[in-house]
Amino acid sequence: GDSVTQMEGPVTLSEEAFLTINCTYTATGYPSLFWYVQYPGEGLQLLLKATKADDKGSNKGFEATYRKETTSFHLEKGSVQVSDSAVYFCALSTQGAQKLVFGQGTRLTINP
Amino acid sequence: DAGVIQSPRHEVTEMGQEVTLRCKPISGHNSLFWYRQTMMRGLELLIYFNNNVPIDDSGMPEDRFSAKMPNASFSTLKIQPSEPRDSAVYFCASRSAMGTGHSGNTIYFGEGSWLTVV
Repeated sequence: GDSVTQMEGPVTLSEEAFLTINCTYTATGYPSLFWYVQYPGEGLQLLLKATKADDKGSNKGFEATYRKETTSFHLEKGSVQVSDSAVYFCALSTQGAQKLVFGQGTRLTINP
Repeated sequence: DAGVIQSPRHEVTEMGQEVTLRCKPISGHNSLFWYRQTMMRGLELLIYFNNNVPIDDSGMPEDRFSAKMPNASFSTLKIQPSEPRDSAVYFCASRSAMGTGHSGNTIYFGEGSWLTVV
């Protein structure tokens, strides 16, 4: 079945460090890929998405590129801020399944 | 535009009591999803509806859980009787028809209902 695997957390970085959170997927067909972010005490917010191979999603300084050859959608940011502290979820959705399949989430803490 | 609206935001109840969680999806969206989030199991899809019809309820844990969508703008998730292991955050989410515009396959989440059963 469809699945998403994220790098295990928690991840702790200093402010202005470079961030990578790895995400790989297994899916039939050609899924759409998403990153959602959950700030403390809040719901999930869509951070970025990509719907086909080689697409790059970007938002708020975060980027992720849909790599079909490596079945990956790694999240990157060049310089993180304390306000980026949150839990990040990678997810996929296939045309047929119509539902989101989530990874387990990666907790990110940024220290000043 | 208003997002997905859930109520209550927080609920504390005693074991054995009935719990009803409510959701108003984004206007014009025709798919609605109920997810549960726990530390141990992460995010789990409980059930989803298309055009008010339940499509996949395979994630509903047991008969104590039931969900309804009487119309396009309202859904409920009911737990009766509730148990301490039901303590979790319950998220409702909605999406417009597949393939409709740029956001056609994006699912938007509410802020969650934080349930504690003691």
